[in-house]
Amino acid sequence: DQQVKQNSPSLSVQEGRISILNCDYTNSMFDYFLWYKKYPAEGPTFLISISSIKDKNEDGRFTVFLNKSAKHLSLHIVPSQPGDSAVYFCAASVGGTSYDKVIFGPGTSLSVIP
Amino acid sequence: DTGVSQDPRHKITKRGQNVTFRCDPISEHNRLYWYRQTLGQGPEFLTYFQNEAQLEKSRLLSDRFSAERPKGSFSTLEIQRTEQGDSAMYLCAGHTGELFFGEGSRLTVL
Repeated sequence: DQQVKQNSPSLSVQEGRISILNCDYTNSMFDYFLWYKKYPAEGPTFLISISSIKDKNEDGRFTVFLNKSAKHLSLHIVPSQPGDSAVYFCAASVGGTSYDKVIFGPGTSLSVIP
Repeated sequence: DTGVSQDPRHKITKRGQNVTFRCDPISEHNRLYWYRQTLGQGPEFLTYFQNEAQLEKSRLLSDRFSAERPKGSFSTLEIQRTEQGDSAMYLCAGHTGELFFGEGSRLTVL
């Protein structure tokens, strides 16, 4: 049973436009959410996180929105750049920033077209 | 640099052989995690250590799998009697606030 879902396996966006990556979760105990980015032949790298006490967190071109009632979060990248082309994993955990383990979604492959 | 290095980067083995992967985190990573990733999937949790203590093991970690972290520094993940279904990327991560992954060890079982 997949607790973290990313229903879009892939997404293509023009350079300069907004990329929106979506994620849904089923476990209402999750209270800390993370996004990771992965390039081929590399391990995932941490991008941005959000605690369940917030509904928005911003870091430069990256913004994560959390809708707890819908158990949904999204990652916005504005403006998108070719270097953003990668696989993006949504992840969730229990225990706030003192979480023990992180559960990952299956990922969305983003292609930013120049 | 995530402060986590893994060795070997790629291992090809025949079914039934044993393999061992090593993970070396920097000392700041007092927690150490092992994940497995197969094609088209996100990383799946296997186990984690707090210093030298193994605190949780996933049901994915069958009795053919064993992980150790002697002295709370480097860690090893051994797979005995490998099966073709064990073919995957094995990722190690250190934890200092967030998870910092190594580049992974890719296992191919023929």
